[in-house]
Amino acid sequence: AQKVTQAQTEISVVEKEDVTLDCVYETRDTTYYLFWYKQPPSGELVFLIRRNSFDEQNEISGRYSWNFQKSTSSFNFTITASQVVDSAVYFCALSATRGSARQLTFGSGTQLTVLP
Amino acid sequence: SAVISQKPSRDICQRGTSLTIQCQVDSQVTMMFWYRQQPGQSLTLIATANQGSEATYESGFVIDKFPISRPNLTFSTLTVSNMSPEDSSIYLCSVRRGQGAREQYFGPGTRLTVT
Repeated sequence: AQKVTQAQTEISVVEKEDVTLDCVYETRDTTYYLFWYKQPPSGELVFLIRRNSFDEQNEISGRYSWNFQKSTSSFNFTITASQVVDSAVYFCALSATRGSARQLTFGSGTQLTVLP
Repeated sequence: SAVISQKPSRDICQRGTSLTIQCQVDSQVTMMFWYRQQPGQSLTLIATANQGSEATYESGFVIDKFPISRPNLTFSTLTVSNMSPEDSSIYLCSVRRGQGAREQYFGPGTRLTVT
């Protein structure tokens, strides 16, 4: 069975602070994909990034960066110099490559509030 | 990416009635999914809808309660039948372009309140 754990239910920071959202996953598959989605107050789920299990290279995209560590089954997401518009619920998700496990398994989400 | 629209965007319905939610995609997609997000909760997959076959429902969801249609590769509907207040949720349509595709894109959601 697949499982995604986001231990941080809510995080509050002041604008311009850096913030890291944690994600820990469990899967028996050797090949899998990890995702981060953002859900602003409007409710739409916005795709941010996908990582493959065989590619542990970390990634930076503007103010966003992702740290994938297979040894600890973690896929953490950092926002640098946070802005009020970053306030949203962030979901980490996991998808394996075969059968029913291909479906996305979501974590419980982390509510990020960036205060001005 | 994919442009996905849903109708209605929100609705308030009375107990015992049914609501049909429409999902339209701007291009042909192989796999469409319907999710439910209860207030303050994460997303739960209701069913997978592939064109030309019956929808596949996840544990805890049944066709009589959530009938789904998938008449073509760009459109699907989800009906929430005989609603109760417990059905108050955001319902999201999601697509994956092909069997080998990994990214899954979501529509804006339908906010349903059952009174």
